[in-house]
Amino acid sequence: KNEVEQSPQNLTAQEGEFITINCSYSVGISALHWLQQHPGGGIVSLFMLSSGKKKHGRLIATINIQEKHSSLHITASHPRDSAVYICAVHSGGSNYKLTFGKGTLLTVNP
Amino acid sequence: DAGITQSPRHKVTETGTPVTLRCHQTENHRYMYWYRQDPGHGLRLIHYSYGVKDTDKGEVSDGYSVSRSKTEDFLLTLESATSSQTSVYFCAISESGGVRNEQFFGPGTRLTVL
Repeated sequence: KNEVEQSPQNLTAQEGEFITINCSYSVGISALHWLQQHPGGGIVSLFMLSSGKKKHGRLIATINIQEKHSSLHITASHPRDSAVYICAVHSGGSNYKLTFGKGTLLTVNP
Repeated sequence: DAGITQSPRHKVTETGTPVTLRCHQTENHRYMYWYRQDPGHGLRLIHYSYGVKDTDKGEVSDGYSVSRSKTEDFLLTLESATSSQTSVYFCAISESGGVRNEQFFGPGTRLTVL
């Protein structure tokens, strides 16, 4: 059983829509990462957070440690936002190890 | 972008042959990681290194070995490739093992074992 669950698995939106991707985890964590992977492409780190909220351009990430939940929001979505978004957590006693969710495939249509 | 390259980027090989994948970094980061990515699974850690000649197993290490003789290079070897090792392999680096350090990923290597 994966300790990190993402929802939805697939998401299709129209350009301009507000997007929310969710990540829930079952263990105590020290930090949570959001990553982006374009089709056929590499993996890019978007955010690393351990509390509160972070914003970068049209992307906003929030985390609620008590509820073991994080969300990634995209405002004014654009077709270039189409990608797989991956949540990963630092968990357990080994501070190097990341546990990854299976990813959310986002498609933004023009 | 972090200076991480992987070679080869694509490889097709036959069952039973040895395969070595190379990860090269120019960031002088201490930690390096090898992951595999398969449909229906999240990224899974194969092996990692926390310094030259210092390596340890991840969650899916069976059938793989690694070596790190220089800070900049981390090699992943499949001694005798099997079809179950068909996957996309990603190398990653981080400055330290601390929980607040980001991991930076290479472009990936697509390996097909026939």
